[in-house]
Amino acid sequence: EAQVTQNPRYLITVTGKKLTVTCSQNMNHEYMSWYRQDPGLGLRQIYYSMNVEVTDKGDVPEGYKVSRKEKRNFPLILESPSPNQTSLYFCASSLGGRPGNEQFFGPGTRLTVL
Amino acid sequence: AQSVTQPDIHITVSEGASLELRCNYSYGATPYLFWYVQSPGQGLQLLLKYFSGDTLVQGIKGFEAEFKRSQSSFNLRKPSVHWSDAAEYFCAFQGYKYIFGTGTRLKVLA
Repeated sequence: EAQVTQNPRYLITVTGKKLTVTCSQNMNHEYMSWYRQDPGLGLRQIYYSMNVEVTDKGDVPEGYKVSRKEKRNFPLILESPSPNQTSLYFCASSLGGRPGNEQFFGPGTRLTVL
Repeated sequence: AQSVTQPDIHITVSEGASLELRCNYSYGATPYLFWYVQSPGQGLQLLLKYFSGDTLVQGIKGFEAEFKRSQSSFNLRKPSVHWSDAAEYFCAFQGYKYIFGTGTRLKVLA
């Protein structure tokens, strides 16, 4: 089944404790992206990757890191999480970054930083 | 500047009634427009998309949307709403990057 998977689905952590949220897709997609969803703000892009070893900042990259060493994986790293990073996070992938390609979304990761 | 606006934060309709969710965009050229639905606890699912051609686009689950260039709008419609349509709906726009609206939460009364 074609899908985007994220782990963990739920995470409660404390301020300053490094964490990684994994994202994997099995559709051989070139483009991958991370979003955070907050009430009243919709989805905002954190980082995106056009292909392996090619990443770029989205609208809200502060406090996050990403890497794209393999085509299928695009982990999101919070080196020193803070309470304002409490949010619902979505990973998405698409065939390419050109306009018009549908994005496929993972199920989301709900992160709480205490 | 690129932007997407969904003016309605919440909408409540009765089951069987018609539905229209509003979406306005700001962009200097013809955009790529999308509507996604997010059911509780789920990720986003694409309902339909518009790139060019026929301005009335049909999607899944009985939804349709109409692109109106003169009004910079891409409103989502459904003739008869089902209780299972209760969800949050996002309009999205792709110019040189993907931008989502803030969402409209739909409640369906039995």
